[in-house]
Amino acid sequence: GESVGLHLPTLSVQEGDNSIINCAYSNSASDYFIWYKQESGKGPQFIIDIRSNMDKRQGQRVTVLLNKTVKHLSLQIAATQPGDSAVYFCAERGTSGSRLTFGEGTQLTVNP
Amino acid sequence: NAGVMQNPRHLVRRRGQEARLRCSPMKGHSHVYWYRQLPEEGLKFMVYLQKENIIDESGMPKERFSAEFPKEGPSILRIQQVVRGDSAAYFCASSPPGTANYGYTFGSGTRLTVV
Repeated sequence: GESVGLHLPTLSVQEGDNSIINCAYSNSASDYFIWYKQESGKGPQFIIDIRSNMDKRQGQRVTVLLNKTVKHLSLQIAATQPGDSAVYFCAERGTSGSRLTFGEGTQLTVNP
Repeated sequence: NAGVMQNPRHLVRRRGQEARLRCSPMKGHSHVYWYRQLPEEGLKFMVYLQKENIIDESGMPKERFSAEFPKEGPSILRIQQVVRGDSAAYFCASSPPGTANYGYTFGSGTRLTVV
């Protein structure tokens, strides 16, 4: 079945460092992936997405890499700031219609 | 564009009561998804609706839970005879129409507490 999981439940970095958050997925037919940021008490906030016909996409301070060979997704945050502290979820859209399947999340903590 | 609007933000119900959660999608979006999030966990899919149609309810418990998205008005997630285990944050997302269907925007959620 479809499942999305994350390698590390927590990640702690120093302000200004680069952060890398990883995600493994199991459905090789998934065609679309999204990274969301969720702050305490709030809903998931879209960060960046990537379609399965791409292997890299860049946004402002964020980059998503997709490796379909090993079914791995990563989110890179450059020059991490305290405001980046949150839980980060990856989500995939598989073959079961348009719903998204979420991973369990990684708690990113940025130390000043 | 006000985004996806959910209300109430917080809802307290006693065991056995009914809970009604509302979701108004973004302007121009005709697809609505409901997710449930337990503390310290990820979001679990419940149901996917388009106007007047349930497209996928495979994540919805068979009993006590129902959802609708009428032609006019918001989408409603209804939980009858609530139990303590229903306490969670319920999030609604919407996306635009069409087969590509990219771009899922979430609301701020309704936090249901069953006492």
